[in-house]
Amino acid sequence: AQSVTQPDIHITVSEGASLELRCNYSYGATPYLFWYVQSPGQGLQLLLKYFSGDTLVQGIKGFEAEFKRSQSSFNLRKPSVHWSDAAEYFCAVGNKAGNMLTFGGGTRLMVKP
Amino acid sequence: DAGVIQSPRHEVTEMGQEVTLRCKPISGHNSLFWYRQTMMRGLELLIYFNNNVPIDDSGMPEDRFSAKMPNASFSTLKIQPSEPRDSAVYFCASSLPSGGIGELFFGEGSRLTVL
Repeated sequence: AQSVTQPDIHITVSEGASLELRCNYSYGATPYLFWYVQSPGQGLQLLLKYFSGDTLVQGIKGFEAEFKRSQSSFNLRKPSVHWSDAAEYFCAVGNKAGNMLTFGGGTRLMVKP
Repeated sequence: DAGVIQSPRHEVTEMGQEVTLRCKPISGHNSLFWYRQTMMRGLELLIYFNNNVPIDDSGMPEDRFSAKMPNASFSTLKIQPSEPRDSAVYFCASSLPSGGIGELFFGEGSRLTVL
């Protein structure tokens, strides 16, 4: 069975500080990994995805994520957080078509001025 | 292009009533998903359609829930009878896998409160 764990339910960072959100997955085959962001009252929006090749992937809004197979991790990073990044972030694992995604529990990011 | 459109955005109803949630996927997308989001259980996939055909409904909690997709531009999720534990945000998403890697496009959700 596939599963995703996001160990941090809440994270607070100061504006301008760096950010790393953790994601660990369990998947029986080659994992296809995704990060989505959900702003309050909105649906989820794809930030980035990984399926093969370079293990460091770039996404929208200045986010990047690194796939580490040995650690079963796909952590999301941003070098300098902006107040508008405050949202909930979801890591997901699934098949190539992205149609059987399993989502993690989410990490709520708060940004201090 | 318009995104995924869901209605109603908010629904408050009483236990035992029928609830119908509606979704219009992005034009041209051939896959449609219904998700439920709660604080306790997070995001759960309820059902997935491909080319209007239900492919996997293993996430549908019980017989009170049903979903249909009569054509490529419309889907419904019905709960009959509704119960307080059905209170949640229900999301519809659509996708068109391109290059083999699908991206889900989510609607803004329908927040259901069952009293």
